This record gives sequence, C-alpha cells and structure tokens, in this order.
Amino acid sequence: GQQVMQIPQYQHVQEGEDFTTYCNSSTTLSNIQWYKQRPGGHPVFLIQLVKSGEVKKQKRLTFQFGEAKKNSSLHITATQTTDVGTYFCAGPTNAGGTSYGKLTFGQGTILTVHP
Amino acid sequence: GAVVSQHPSRVICKSGTSVKIECRSLDFQATTMFWYRQFPKQSLMLMATSNEGSKATYEQGVEKDKFLINHASLTLSTLTVTSAHPEDSSFYICSARTLGGTDTQYFGPGTRLTVL
Repeated sequence: GQQVMQIPQYQHVQEGEDFTTYCNSSTTLSNIQWYKQRPGGHPVFLIQLVKSGEVKKQKRLTFQFGEAKKNSSLHITATQTTDVGTYFCAGPTNAGGTSYGKLTFGQGTILTVHP
Repeated sequence: GAVVSQHPSRVICKSGTSVKIECRSLDFQATTMFWYRQFPKQSLMLMATSNEGSKATYEQGVEKDKFLINHASLTLSTLTVTSAHPEDSSFYICSARTLGGTDTQYFGPGTRLTVL
C-alpha cells in the first residue's frame, strides 16, 4: 500500500540552528500538506503544495515539492523555541484512484530546540 | 475560519462504560469528518471516515461495533467508544474537510481518554 516516509524521526537543535525534515511518498501525489503539532496539542495545517517543483515560504519556513511530486521538505531557518513540536507531512491516500479526502500521514519529525 | 471543536477534551472512565466524543465544525459545513487515534510520539492513525447522512467507512482492523460513529449533520460527528477497556486509552482527534474543499483537513483539539 501507499507509504509516506518521513525523516528524521527526532531532531534536536540549538536555538538559531537550521532544521530540515524530509518526506517521501511511495506514490506520486496530487498535493502534499504539512502540519505542525505542538506538544499536547493537535495538528495545525501549515501549507499545501500542488505544483511540481513548487517552493513556498512562510517567514522562516520554506516548503518544497519535488519535481516528481513524490517528495517534499520543510526547512526552518534560525530555529526558535516556538518552533518546538512535531511536523507531519501528508498526502492524499491513493485508494484505487479515489482518496475520498483521506490523508496518509508521515511518521512525523519531533523537533526539540534548546535555548 | 475553519474551526473544529471537540468535546470533551479529557475524560476518565471506568472499564466497561461507554464514552461519547463530539466533533463540531463551528464556522463551516463539513461533508466529511475523520476520526484518528494517536499514541504518544506517534503519527495519526486513521480510524474511520464519517460522511454526513451515511454509514462511516472504517479502516482495516478498526472494530465498527466498538467505535460507533454518527454523522447526523454537516457540522456534527460523534464517536462512541463502547465498553471501553484500558487498551482503548488514547488521544482521539477528529478532523473535518470543507464542503467542496481541497484535501486539507482541519483538526479538533483532541480528546484524551483514560480508561481505568
């Protein structure tokens, strides 16, 4: 079945360092989405990428969608303690050509930022 | 916009009792709602897809008689954990997809269930 793999599982950085998490799908995706879940909280939608090779920025966050639409990355420049949390990528679940809106989530990357 | 509420946020119950969790889309209509289960430091595990006015679609391995889902309106879906046991203790999160919207899901704040 479809798999969405995300690495690394954990990342510990010093405040001010950069951070990147990578997402790879076993199938081509129509779009990819990124969510952030703060400790004790719920996933919050960050962004959706649709086009091959697309790059979007949100302040210190840069999101990329691969040319083959099977991989994506999230890069945070100069991390801050407020960036702490788990970052998930997700792609539409491919179920016989129809997803019914379901998403397949990556395992998530848990980011810890040391002040 | 796109706010989803979930109630209760936390519940502790005795083994054998049933617990109902409500998921509401507050400022939009949701044709489809999803119920997830999440264990500590793990990803979201989809349990079922709830469509307004029809039966829920359960993922493989999820017992439909144990996790009853009702989607009575375009703004409300409920998950009832029947005859709860300690192994059902978990963080349950719902999400909603907007009417005619993209695949983007908006998540509720989650319900922490502890079964004693």
